[in-house]
Amino acid sequence: GQQVMQIPQYQHVQEGEDFTTYCNSSTTLSNIQWYKQRPGGHPVFLIQLVKSGEVKKQKRLTFQFGEAKKNSSLHITATQTTDVGTYFCAVKAAGNKLTFGGGTRVLVKP
Amino acid sequence: DTAVSQTPKYLVTQMGNDKSIKCEQNLGHDTMYWYKQDSKKFLKIMFSYNNKELIINETVPNRFSPKSPDKAHLNLHINSLELGDSAVYFCASTLDLSTDTQYFGPGTRLTVL
Repeated sequence: GQQVMQIPQYQHVQEGEDFTTYCNSSTTLSNIQWYKQRPGGHPVFLIQLVKSGEVKKQKRLTFQFGEAKKNSSLHITATQTTDVGTYFCAVKAAGNKLTFGGGTRVLVKP
Repeated sequence: DTAVSQTPKYLVTQMGNDKSIKCEQNLGHDTMYWYKQDSKKFLKIMFSYNNKELIINETVPNRFSPKSPDKAHLNLHINSLELGDSAVYFCASTLDLSTDTQYFGPGTRLTVL
C-alpha cells in the first residue's frame, strides 16, 4: 500500500525559531493533507494540497507540495507554544482510505 | 453541537472482556471510519462505512466488529480484549467517499489490564 515517511519524528524548537517537517513518498501522489493533533486531542484537518508545486499559507504555517508530487513540507515561522502537537501528513489511497505518515512531534521550549 | 462524538472517552477493562465504543456524527456525512492510534502516535485505519455499507476492512482481527445502524452512527464492538488492544480509537467522517477532509471525534482511550 501507499506509504509516506515523515521526518523528523521529533522536533524540539526554541520559541520564536522556525522549523520544517517533511513528508516523502516513493510514488506520485494525487494530493496530500496535513493534520495537527494537540496533546490529548484528536487530529484536526489543516490543509489539502493538490497541484504540483502548490504553496499555501495559513498565518505562520507554509505548506508546499513538491513539483513531482512525491513530497510535501510544512514550515512554521516564529514558533509559539500553541504550535505544540503532532503534525501528520496523509495521502489518499483507494476507497478514500487515508494513509497517515508517522507524524512529527513538536515540542516548544519557552 | 459537537460534530463527531464518541462514548466513552475512557475505557479501562480486564483482558478477555467484551466492550463497545459508540460514534455519532451530526454533519450529515455519508462515510465514517474507525482509526486506531498506538502509543507511538501511529494512526491506522481499521474500517470505513459508506451509507451503512462496509467499504474498508483492513487486516483487523475478527474480534473487532463494526456496526452502522444508520449513516450517522458507527459503533465498534471488541470481543475477548487483549493487552495489545490498548490504544486510542478515533472515529472520523467525511462528506462522502470522494471527499478527503476527515473530521475526527475526540477519541476513546482504551486500556486493557
